[in-house]
Amino acid sequence: DAGVIQSPRHEVTEMGQEVTLRCKPISGHDYLFWYRQTMMRGLELLIYFNNNVPIDDSGMPEDRFSAKMPNASFSTLKIQPSEPRDSAVYFCASSFRNQPQHFGDGTRLSIL
Amino acid sequence: GQQVMQIPQYQHVQEGEDFTTYCNSSTTLSNIQWYKQRPGGHPVFLIQLVKSGEVKKQKRLTFQFGEAKKNSSLHITATQTTDVGTYFCANTGNQFYFGTGTSLTVIP
Repeated sequence: DAGVIQSPRHEVTEMGQEVTLRCKPISGHDYLFWYRQTMMRGLELLIYFNNNVPIDDSGMPEDRFSAKMPNASFSTLKIQPSEPRDSAVYFCASSFRNQPQHFGDGTRLSIL
Repeated sequence: GQQVMQIPQYQHVQEGEDFTTYCNSSTTLSNIQWYKQRPGGHPVFLIQLVKSGEVKKQKRLTFQFGEAKKNSSLHITATQTTDVGTYFCANTGNQFYFGTGTSLTVIP
């Protein structure tokens, strides 16, 4: 079975550029989560969707961050404009109801 | 907002020693899930506890959910180098959030 698929695996870009991270959840899962992980702040929940609808985006750092889920099989997290402090590993996870979350391999983002 | 704190933040043990991490919440939790993240990897689900006072075991790992459902613990007996990683507790009730994690280093 395919797990949660994230792309790209690594992204290096200059500050000010737009960054788009992509996620394909596990088929049949109705929850999708975006997390950010850094040494300083640990694992932070940014936003989660239920049945493609954003439920809680209180973890989104600021207006430069946006997330969409146009259908049940695809979600994007966009940063525009990007800043060096956005450098982190971004994880997407999906689950069915409150069952265990399945994480993707993450996107390692470096903003120069 | 609701927070789930884990202690200790870091733990170094000699191989063969036991290890325990604690998860504490200021409010009652509907459930507790435990995850392990290997260095360079992603969190992987270990187990879920739902009932007050519940205890579950997986080989050398013992998981407990407190009677008041406000705390939980993970105990590893006779650690091995394969136990290295960060252990997170998480709650997935009406809200979803992960604990702060405990990073375990096992010295051979």
